[in-house]
Amino acid sequence: DQQVKQNSPSLSVQEGRISILNCDYTNSMFDYFLWYKKYPAEGPTFLISISSIKDKNEDGRFTVFLNKSAKHLSLHIVPSQPGDSAVYFCATHSGTYKYIFGTGTRLKVLA
Amino acid sequence: GAGVSQSPSNKVTEKGKDVELRCDPISGHTALYWYRQRLGQGLEFLIYFQGNSAPDKSGLPSDRFSAERTGESVSTLTIQRTQQEDSAVYLCASSLSPLTDTQYFGPGTRLTVL
Repeated sequence: DQQVKQNSPSLSVQEGRISILNCDYTNSMFDYFLWYKKYPAEGPTFLISISSIKDKNEDGRFTVFLNKSAKHLSLHIVPSQPGDSAVYFCATHSGTYKYIFGTGTRLKVLA
Repeated sequence: GAGVSQSPSNKVTEKGKDVELRCDPISGHTALYWYRQRLGQGLEFLIYFQGNSAPDKSGLPSDRFSAERTGESVSTLTIQRTQQEDSAVYLCASSLSPLTDTQYFGPGTRLTVL
């Protein structure tokens, strides 16, 4: 029973356009969310996070939006660059060390 | 090195053999975690260390899996009598403290059980 779902296994976007990656969760007790990026043969790299007290967090080209009522978060990358091509995982926890990860979305940015 | 390192990067073994996977966390990180990722699935929590004690082993899938940590340093994950369903990428992560700090991951060990 997956508590964190990334329903799109893959996404292709043209360079310069916006990439939107989505994530849904089931437990309203989750209060902290993270996005990780993973290149082949490397471990996941922390990208950006958001606490449940906020609905938006921005870091350069990356913005995470949180909709608590819908139990949904999204990662926006704008403008997308070929180097952004990777697998993106959303993760959460409820104040503990035990991160719960989604299955990932493979983003391909086309030059 | 500055990051989490793991060895070996790849391991192919025969069913029934034991394997040992190693993790070197970031220096100064007291918390260490093991996860695994099976094909097409998300990361699955296995075990957490605070220092050299493991307060939570709840994610270990069976008693064939065990892990140790030396102080606040190296950790080894041992899988005895490997089975084909153990094939996965095993990832180690560390953080400064378990509750408030981001987990930083190593590159993983890809285990293939034939």
